[in-house]
Parts: sequence; C-alpha cells; structure tokens
Amino acid sequence: DTEVTQTPKHLVMGMTNKKSLKCEQHMGHRAMYWYKQKAKKPPELMFVYSYEKLSINESVPSRFSPECPNSSLLNLHLHALQPEDSALYLCASRGTRGNEQFFGPGTRLTVL
Amino acid sequence: GNSVTQMEGPVTLSEEAFLTINCTYTATGYPSLFWYVQYPGEGLQLLLKATKADDKGSNKGFEATYRKETTSFHLEKGSVQVSDSAVYFCALSLIQGAQKLVFGQGTRLTINP
Repeated sequence: DTEVTQTPKHLVMGMTNKKSLKCEQHMGHRAMYWYKQKAKKPPELMFVYSYEKLSINESVPSRFSPECPNSSLLNLHLHALQPEDSALYLCASRGTRGNEQFFGPGTRLTVL
Repeated sequence: GNSVTQMEGPVTLSEEAFLTINCTYTATGYPSLFWYVQYPGEGLQLLLKATKADDKGSNKGFEATYRKETTSFHLEKGSVQVSDSAVYFCALSLIQGAQKLVFGQGTRLTINP
C-alpha cells in the first residue's frame, strides 16, 4: 500500500462549526505533514509530526489543532475558522530511507 | 536561506512539442531535488527526484538532471501529450531536521491537441 488517503474529499462549514480532517497512511512512515494550498500557489507547510510528536508548528493560528493518535493517522481539528481559511488541505508522509514526501489527494475546505 | 525559482507560466504547447521548465535553487547544504505534478482537483504526485549532483531523475518520459555547478534541475520531455496538462512544482529538501520541502511557485502547463 503506497497511498496516503484523506477524508473527507470536500467539506463546507460555517464559522461556528467544529470539524476534523483525517489522513491515513500504511507505509510505515514516521513523519507526517499538514499543508495548506491556496489557488495557484504552492503548498504551505503547517505542521510536522515525527514519531507521533509535533516537531514543527509554522505559527499556525490556534483554530487549527493537529493530532497524531498513532503512527498511521493524522487529524486536523478545525474550530471557528474564517472564510480566508478556505483552501485545499494536503497531508503528506515521509519514510526514513528517502526524503521524498508522498501526498494525499487533499480535502477541499470551504468556510462560509 | 533555501529557495527555489521556477520558470513562470503559464506555458502552452502543442501536442508532441518539446518541453523545458526551468528550475534553479539556492540551498545552504546539499539538497535533494524533486519535481511534483498536480493535476486539476488532485493532490501532488512525485514525478521524479535526484539526491546528488549529476543524478538524473526520470519517469513517464520526463527527465531532470541535478546540476550543482549551475544550481539547476530543469524538467524536460521530448514529446508532450494532452494528458501532461497540469501544474508542475520544483522543490528541494535538505537532509537535516524535519526535511521540509521548499517549493517553487509552480508552472501551469497546457497542452493543446
């Protein structure tokens, strides 16, 4: 299994809602990443988990809360988002042998 | 600091044309270099990579050679197809630490039949 999966594919939420994005990989990778991508821009790094511990937070607002319950799963909890948070949210994982990252298909988030 | 500069797009070509997308980098160490491709509505797919000077990465007819002397990693394909229409990102990653990916701005490629 060489895939990174993400659910849901699309999400529409209001500014008062709480929702979660889910990412899963079964490649045995121990580094996992969340990115945010706006239209016509490259992905921007948000968080990095290494061996289930948060190692990098790129000064992301607290309305985004990451969680790594185990080595295969990565969640991103969303609360009180703003319309400008609408974007494609990408998850990626990296193995220990190479340093390439493998991306999931993303969750298209719309905040109303 | 570390940065990647890509040829600005959009790029429009006819089917079977030769493709070059330029990419140059600045890095404080010895980076690995990547090309990722993003088809409409999808995530990023790793297209090819090179980990040291003079390495050539290749996949699906695309090639790129790691040129340390010119700090470049240009993407080439001899004969493009309509299905190659996508956004292409050049990126680097350093061996140390969390191995963050540093992306170029992306080049949108459109191939007309």
